[in-house]
Amino acid sequence: DAKTTQPPSMDCAEGRAANLPCNHSTISGNEYVYWYRQIHSQGPQYIIHGLKNNETNEMASLIITEDRKSSTLILPHATLRDTAVYYCIVNPLTGANNLFFGTGTRLTVIP
Amino acid sequence: NAGVTQTPKFQVLKTGQSMTLQCAQDMNHEYMSWYRQDPGMGLRLIHYSVGAGITDQGEVPNGYNVSRSTTEDFPLRLLSAAPSQTSVYFCASSYLVGAEAFFGQGTRLTVV
Repeated sequence: DAKTTQPPSMDCAEGRAANLPCNHSTISGNEYVYWYRQIHSQGPQYIIHGLKNNETNEMASLIITEDRKSSTLILPHATLRDTAVYYCIVNPLTGANNLFFGTGTRLTVIP
Repeated sequence: NAGVTQTPKFQVLKTGQSMTLQCAQDMNHEYMSWYRQDPGMGLRLIHYSVGAGITDQGEVPNGYNVSRSTTEDFPLRLLSAAPSQTSVYFCASSYLVGAEAFFGQGTRLTVV
């Protein structure tokens, strides 16, 4: 059973912020929220992860609600190269890193 | 530092043939895994390993074998290929703690 729910597709204008939502209402206390993306048919690429605090790195920001039941991945200035399928995954931080990939959100950045 | 390397990139097999998909990583990661991705779907876990000599089944293990004799290598064996195994196969590795997973570029397998 999927642990996360994401919209199947989204569009974003080039240069604008892309906000990708994810619902994970059954998340456990020891589970982190991870985001990966897959460009064309390449191997998935790690973006960011977090537990309960907001996180930011050179690629994106992750905003997690206080009740941890949902989160938003923010790409601050989307470029055409950000067109990809984005996967939101919940997973414990330790132990076997078995990732459950749903069908993700296909983000299309429009010129 | 090559990361995760998969070979071959493309392969066509006849039904009933066997083959081994190779995966190697040079990051000294304890954890390695194999996924398959069918058209329009997310990745599904086939087998995984948390260290040399230790393997376990994932979500879709039937028709595949794995072994982990070294930390670096995690080959996936198809014993008797079937058309249902036509897919793109990805290998991944990570540390067990603080686990950002690194993926290979995939092997596109067609079974005719």
